[in-house]
Amino acid sequence: EAGVAQSPRYKIIEKRQSVAFWCNPISGHATLYWYQQILGQGPKLLIQFQNNGVVDDSQLPKDRFSAERLKGVDSTLKIQPAKLEDSAVYLCASRMGGTDTQYFGPGTRLTVL
Amino acid sequence: KQEVTQIPAALSVPEGENLVLNCSFTDSAIYNLQWFRQDPGKGLTSLLLIQSSQREQTSGRLNASLDKSSGRSTLYIAASQPGDSATYLCAVVFSGSARQLTFGSGTQLTVLP
Repeated sequence: EAGVAQSPRYKIIEKRQSVAFWCNPISGHATLYWYQQILGQGPKLLIQFQNNGVVDDSQLPKDRFSAERLKGVDSTLKIQPAKLEDSAVYLCASRMGGTDTQYFGPGTRLTVL
Repeated sequence: KQEVTQIPAALSVPEGENLVLNCSFTDSAIYNLQWFRQDPGKGLTSLLLIQSSQREQTSGRLNASLDKSSGRSTLYIAASQPGDSATYLCAVVFSGSARQLTFGSGTQLTVLP
């Protein structure tokens, strides 16, 4: 069974530029999560999707972050414009309905200069 | 505020030693608790999941316990090996949270050969 795929794996940008991350969840997993993990901290939930609908985006900085999950499969997370404090690893996870285990992708490491 | 705390932030032990990692949480109304392993540059791997009705779970050399009344969980690793070196994260699904994980900041374990 293929795992959660994310791309790119690494990205370096300058502040005020824009960036987008892509996630392909495990096939059949209806729930998809985006997390932000700052160095030395645990992951923090940014947004949760159920199929193509948003369940919770209360911790997403909506003035600069946006996310979508068209057709309820792949998802993209965008930052525009980026700030220095956005430097972090962005993790995508998916979960099958009726189960408790989340499966995580390898993450995208973003560095904002 | 629902929070998860892990102490210590880092731990070094000689190979072969048995060790315990600690996790505490602020609200005893939980749905489940999970322990994850994170290797550098990689995503999170689920190690053990304890439902709120359970007291412990075991997998190989790993044993996780849960005491909801005191808001504590421990991860016991027997006969540690250098390959166990990684960051261990505790995550709680609090009741009413739409199965969202709240993570601690992790314990970075180094097992010395």
